Amino acid sequence: GAVVSQHPSWVICKSGTSVKIECRSLDFQATTMFWYRQFPKQSLMLMATSNEGSKATYEQGVEKDKFLINHASLTLSTLTVTSAHPEDSSFYICSARDRDSGNLEQYFGPGTRLTVT
Amino acid sequence: DAKTTQPPSMDCAEGRAANLPCNHSTISGNEYVYWYRQIHSQGPQYIIHGLKNNETNEMASLIITEDRKSSTLILPHATLRDTAVYYCMRSGNTPLVFGKGTRLSVIA
Repeated sequence: GAVVSQHPSWVICKSGTSVKIECRSLDFQATTMFWYRQFPKQSLMLMATSNEGSKATYEQGVEKDKFLINHASLTLSTLTVTSAHPEDSSFYICSARDRDSGNLEQYFGPGTRLTVT
Repeated sequence: DAKTTQPPSMDCAEGRAANLPCNHSTISGNEYVYWYRQIHSQGPQYIIHGLKNNETNEMASLIITEDRKSSTLILPHATLRDTAVYYCMRSGNTPLVFGKGTRLSVIA
């Protein structure tokens, strides 16, 4: 089956610094990738939709200048949390659709746990 | 807005069938029903999806009512490793939107 990886799997950073999270589709090409975040004991919340070669579409309430998304190739999307604060501590999960499969199934990565101190 | 309704929790005895219901009464004609599950601190795992016919794969069966307003996910022989939060979602060409799901506890 299609595999999505994320790097790093966990990261601890100091308040005010920036953190980059990578999402890769390992055995398929993805024109569309999605970024979610999940706070403890809550469900996943969609943050943005990332399209290869174009600007990401952000959900209402998500600051595009704080959560920078770059989808420069068909296998890689990155999420950069700029000037991170403790309230940004969360579980960040990406997913991707296989461009060539003909279906709309989303394949999810294992997630990245961000802790801001 | 998840646009689906699921019971918050269910228990199932190990080895028995787990039947997880989902209501999606306002589903559109071009929307599929998707089921995913999330085991603690992991990314969601795809289980199955369908449009209007019942579907079966190696993990589960999906029964969709004829009017498509509800569905049931069936895990035929639940094991302890099936303990997870199960999400029922509907999607055409839009991103998956997660509701609160059903927390399934498989009990030995």
